[in-house]
Amino acid sequence: DAKTTQPTSMDCAEGRAANLPCNHSTISGNEYVYWYRQIHSQGPQYIIHGLKNNETNEMASLIITEDRKSSTLILPHATLRDTAVYYCIVMSLDMRFGAGTRLTVKP
Amino acid sequence: DTAVSQTPKYLVTQMGNDKSIKCEQNLGHDTMYWYKQDSKKFLKIMFSYNNKELIINETVPNRFSPKSPDKAHLNLHINSLELGDSAVYFCASSAPLGFEGNTIYFGEGSWLTVV
Repeated sequence: DAKTTQPTSMDCAEGRAANLPCNHSTISGNEYVYWYRQIHSQGPQYIIHGLKNNETNEMASLIITEDRKSSTLILPHATLRDTAVYYCIVMSLDMRFGAGTRLTVKP
Repeated sequence: DTAVSQTPKYLVTQMGNDKSIKCEQNLGHDTMYWYKQDSKKFLKIMFSYNNKELIINETVPNRFSPKSPDKAHLNLHINSLELGDSAVYFCASSAPLGFEGNTIYFGEGSWLTVV
């Protein structure tokens, strides 16, 4: 069962930053926060992960609050191809998906 | 090269038939998984194998039997197919979870339709 809460859907204008929130208030000290996305029923694609510190890679940035009870995935310049379902996952020894957030990037 | 590959990509079959979906990974991972995504789009773990040994079995009916001939392969065999088995099945692999940097890589899915 998922340990995270995400909004069901969000819209974002093309070229703007997309900020996707996730609540994980029951996270344990050794559990990582992972983000995946799934584009139109393709295989889920890894985006980024973190434990305590903020992380950035070529795809996105991950901001984790100091108490680690929530995080935000930031796509700095969203494109139409970023339209997908985004999953926030708290992972220890296995990976369980919640319902995710359906992000729609609009022209 | 595709890291996690599944075959077939599409499969249409009649109720009561037995079918298999094959999965292979070339990442050198010890752990492999099967996930099911139904029509409501929920992605649920079915099985996890570590080095050919079953680790997770999420109350999947006995009609589903994973088979791991070696750690690079985890095939899914389904007996007596039912309409409710229609779904997209994803194979995945990873290094041991819980360690920094280890993540799961997914195949592109196998679309099973039971008629």
